[in-house]
Amino acid sequence: GAGVSQSPRYKVAKRGQDVALRCDPISGHVSLFWYQQALGQGPEFLTYFQNEAQLDKSGLPSDRFFAERPEGSVSTLKIQRTQQEDSAVYLCASSLAGTGLNEQYFGPGTRLTVT
Amino acid sequence: AQSVSQHNHHVILSEAASLELGCNYSYGGTVNLFWYVQYPGQHLQLLLKYFSGDPLVKGIKGFEAEFIKSKFSFNLRKPSVQWSDTAEYFCAVNALTGGFKTIFGAGTRLFVKA
Repeated sequence: GAGVSQSPRYKVAKRGQDVALRCDPISGHVSLFWYQQALGQGPEFLTYFQNEAQLDKSGLPSDRFFAERPEGSVSTLKIQRTQQEDSAVYLCASSLAGTGLNEQYFGPGTRLTVT
Repeated sequence: AQSVSQHNHHVILSEAASLELGCNYSYGGTVNLFWYVQYPGQHLQLLLKYFSGDPLVKGIKGFEAEFIKSKFSFNLRKPSVQWSDTAEYFCAVNALTGGFKTIFGAGTRLFVKA
């Protein structure tokens, strides 16, 4: 594809609901990152995949957050039992190389609002 | 823990003014440094990066940044801003021994008056 795409672009969830956020990285990109961006803040690292392997999940804030990339391309970030503090923009980024050191190409983000 | 500090949250300049946005990081080892920009309504995109070599790096649209290791700084500069530079700018750091985590600063919103 032409760039990283994310869906949905906007999601409103009631507190306690589960949500699933999708990321389609650029075709052929080995690395995939998820970030959480709260209002007025920079992106905060959540997790990193190299192909289908989740090599770093140190940024996931709780065990309610789960990410997968089963075939090494599309990734899903799932948040269970959403809380108000989960309201944020969730960004996905991909990069060509299998390290975290190269340019990351960002998607438009999914804005999650938990009411 | 690594952190990135951007000194100014909001900057307002007139066209043709010079720009310098401060960025300091806390990590004593080898780092890779980035500036990303987000124009209104667009995705985050890379402005420039430093991995090694010449500490003065040039990016797109006339931007440059200087890595000063002794000051743990990577300030962004542009000699003459344009209205189209209105955007939010993020400094980011990846420590080579920090795994795959890239740490972003809180961002600086630049508004350029025409």
